[in-house]
Amino acid sequence: AQSVSQHNHHVILSEAASLELGCNYSYGGTVNLFWYVQYPGQHLQLLLKYFSGDPLVKGIKGFEAEFIKSKFSFNLRKPSVQWSDTAEYFCAVNARRYSGGGADGLTFGKGTHLIIQP
Amino acid sequence: DARVTQTPRHKVTEMGQEVTMRCQPILGHNTVFWYRQTMMQGLELLAYFRNRAPLDDSGMPKDRFSAEMPDATLATLKIQPSEPRDSAVYFCASGLGAGMGEQFFGPGTRLTVL
Repeated sequence: AQSVSQHNHHVILSEAASLELGCNYSYGGTVNLFWYVQYPGQHLQLLLKYFSGDPLVKGIKGFEAEFIKSKFSFNLRKPSVQWSDTAEYFCAVNARRYSGGGADGLTFGKGTHLIIQP
Repeated sequence: DARVTQTPRHKVTEMGQEVTMRCQPILGHNTVFWYRQTMMQGLELLAYFRNRAPLDDSGMPKDRFSAEMPDATLATLKIQPSEPRDSAVYFCASGLGAGMGEQFFGPGTRLTVL
């Protein structure tokens, strides 16, 4: 069974600080990796995704993530955060099913609550 | 702008009552997922369908929960009877098959069972 671990449950930063949120997954096969964001009172939105190719993935709003296969990690980064980045961030993994194909259910981490102070 | 829609957005009910939540996936998406979000457990996959057929409902309590897709534009999640521990936000998501993996989430139904 696959699992996702997000090490930081709460992070508080000042505006313009750099951000790195850790994500490690446990699965021996090929995976698709995602970061979703949930702004207060809203639904989940996709920040970025990794399927294959360049392990450094760029997403929306200046976010990026790096897939390091040897470390089973997919950490999220942003060089300079803004107050509007205050939200809950979820890392998720989707183990690929070659036999049936298609999108299978995501396994999510517990989330990281990010607060940006003005 | 294609979106997943869910109704109702909020539901307050008493223990023992039946609750039905509805989801309209994005037109053309053939896979529909139901997730539950609680403070304690985070986001959990309950069940999902592909081409309207149930593929996996192992995350769903079978005795009181049921999920169906009467047609390609409607997915339902029913709880009967509801219990206070079912209080959570229930999200529907839809996606395409063929290994794409990306899922688009609806706004969720916030359920409170008293």
